[in-house]
Amino acid sequence: AQRVTQPEKLLSVFKGAPVELKCNYSYSGSPELFWYVQYSRQRLQLLLRHISRESIKGFTADLNKGETSFHLKKPFAQEEDSAMYYCALGANDYKLSFGAGTTVTVRA
Amino acid sequence: SQTIHQWPATLVQPVGSPLSLECTVEGTSNPNLYWYRQAAGRGLQLLFYSVGIGQISSEVPQNLSASRPQDRQFILSSKKLLLSDSGFYLCAWSQFRTSGGPSNEQFFGPGTRLTVL
Repeated sequence: AQRVTQPEKLLSVFKGAPVELKCNYSYSGSPELFWYVQYSRQRLQLLLRHISRESIKGFTADLNKGETSFHLKKPFAQEEDSAMYYCALGANDYKLSFGAGTTVTVRA
Repeated sequence: SQTIHQWPATLVQPVGSPLSLECTVEGTSNPNLYWYRQAAGRGLQLLFYSVGIGQISSEVPQNLSASRPQDRQFILSSKKLLLSDSGFYLCAWSQFRTSGGPSNEQFFGPGTRLTVL
């Protein structure tokens, strides 16, 4: 069975500082990894997915199969980045397995 | 464009009362549908999913059930609510996934905050 681990429940950084949200997974097959974000009073929405290999809102994430990780990074955090972030794994079925989530607070 | 609706937005129910939460999707056909519970510190827990009318897969044994009476309607129910059923319930949909194809993005509704007293 697949599993997603986000070791940090809370992450606080200063504006302009780099931010990295950790995500590790366990899955025996070829995974598809996603990052979802939920801003205050908004719906949960897709931020990025590894197959797109694109930067969204300055965020990037690289799938490292050797380390089974998909960490989310941004070199310069902004206050509008404050949100709840979920890492999710898609296996060869219809479901996504979500991590416990990381709440990010960016302080001025 | 596609939209997903959930109602009610908030609900306060006594222990032992029945429950019915509704989710509808517009602008697409034959979607995959999902019910999640979002709990602080525990992330998103998948409760049920459906890939077609009348087809329900349950992920965890619990006091809840789901039904899909129409293509774009997904209902979460309980005959007798427990205190532990309190939480934030999210409905989501995705495009029907072709065999061997990539996982599709899931689109989430606004959620229902359920408080059982």
